[in-house]
Amino acid sequence: DAGVIQSPRHEVTEMGQEVTLRCKPISGHNSLFWYRQTMMRGLELLIYFNNNVPIDDSGMPEDRFSAKMPNASFSTLKIQPSEPRDSAVYFCASTSIGYNEQFFGPGTRLTVL
Amino acid sequence: GDSVTQMEGPVTLSEEAFLTINCTYTATGYPSLFWYVQYPGEGLQLLLKATKADDKGSNKGFEATYRKETTSFHLEKGSVQVSDSAVYFCALRDSGGSNYKLTFGKGTLLTVNP
Repeated sequence: DAGVIQSPRHEVTEMGQEVTLRCKPISGHNSLFWYRQTMMRGLELLIYFNNNVPIDDSGMPEDRFSAKMPNASFSTLKIQPSEPRDSAVYFCASTSIGYNEQFFGPGTRLTVL
Repeated sequence: GDSVTQMEGPVTLSEEAFLTINCTYTATGYPSLFWYVQYPGEGLQLLLKATKADDKGSNKGFEATYRKETTSFHLEKGSVQVSDSAVYFCALRDSGGSNYKLTFGKGTLLTVNP
């Protein structure tokens, strides 16, 4: 079975540019999570969706960050404009009824210069 | 609110040493408990889990027992290998409903030297 797919795996951009990270959850999963991982702050939950609807976005840092889930098989996390402090690894995870655990993607390493 | 506290790292051990990583939690409900492992450059993978008191989760030689009386879920392995070098995260999911949100600890970096 294919796991959670994230793209790109690495992204290097310049301050002020728009960045879009993509996630394809495991087929059949109806909950999707976006996390950010940094050395300083560890693993932070940014937002999560149930059945394509945002349930909790209290972890989204500021208005520069936005996330969408237009359908059950695709989600995006957008940063506009990007800043150097956004440099981190961003993970997507999915799960569904019948599971307790979340299944993580490989992450996108974002570097903002 | 829910929280997870795990021992500060980094932890450095020699191969074949005994490993314990402590984890305690606070939760409003009756949580399920997890240990995730993150190998260098990879995402988090579920290592083991326990869903009720006194359950023991085990995988790849690692074990953890759900202790409700001490609100703990300590990770142990009798003989670590170099390949166990990774970051280990303790996590909980509070009980009930359709809330699949996990609360993670800050992670413990384990380095095993040959």
